[in-house]
Amino acid sequence: QSVLTQPPSVSAAPGQKVTISCSGSSSNIGNNYVSWYQQLPGTAPKLLIYENNKRPSGIPDRFSGSKSGTSATLGITGLQTGDEADYYCGTWDSSLSAGEVVFGGGTKLTVL
Amino acid sequence: QLQLQESGPGLVKPSETLSLTCTVSGGSISSSSYYWGWIRQPPGKGLEWIGSIYYSGSTYYNPSLKSRVTISVDTSKNQFSLKLSSVTAADTAVYYCARHVGEIGYCSGGSCGNWFDPWGQGTLVTVSS
Repeated sequence: QSVLTQPPSVSAAPGQKVTISCSGSSSNIGNNYVSWYQQLPGTAPKLLIYENNKRPSGIPDRFSGSKSGTSATLGITGLQTGDEADYYCGTWDSSLSAGEVVFGGGTKLTVL
Repeated sequence: QLQLQESGPGLVKPSETLSLTCTVSGGSISSSSYYWGWIRQPPGKGLEWIGSIYYSGSTYYNPSLKSRVTISVDTSKNQFSLKLSSVTAADTAVYYCARHVGEIGYCSGGSCGNWFDPWGQGTLVTVSS
């Protein structure tokens, strides 16, 4: 059972837009920054979004991130077949004295 | 650019200790701006953070694994290592190392922002007799 809750799967047609939600609590998303990762089949995760809504160099602006309260959202516009992947959200959880990194369970994106 | 590469045995017997090393190239592990982390992914499942280390040796561990985990750093070799003791089949996973960027633990303004970038390619470790 992951600390952060994501839908197991989402799907949309090429060219369309999709959003992936990530729900947490005040000890994690509510008071800390969220990052998002893309994991293409058989490869290591890759950073897509950091600090809620910032894109690393090389990540197209089709990918966006937002946060409101204890939830975060990843948006992908102009879907391409190459976007088919698993997507994970992550953040810091401050509920324990030392804190820890927590991830969502992942969302499988299918581009129909 | 910065690259990370995991290495170590792909098969470990139950009750023994899993040992992996991450070699960092294209940059110094002694950079004052970064931690260095281990993350694992059981087959067909999600990501689980194991722990992270600063070049000085300061560490943060996943509370659920803390009693079995030791992460160490060797700045002379630009490497950091993971040891996980008393392994069981549940520890079978792809193990990734990654640079852990941002504020960890005590964060300015009370909000922590940290992320993993880049990641190593990962190495599958199977626990079986």
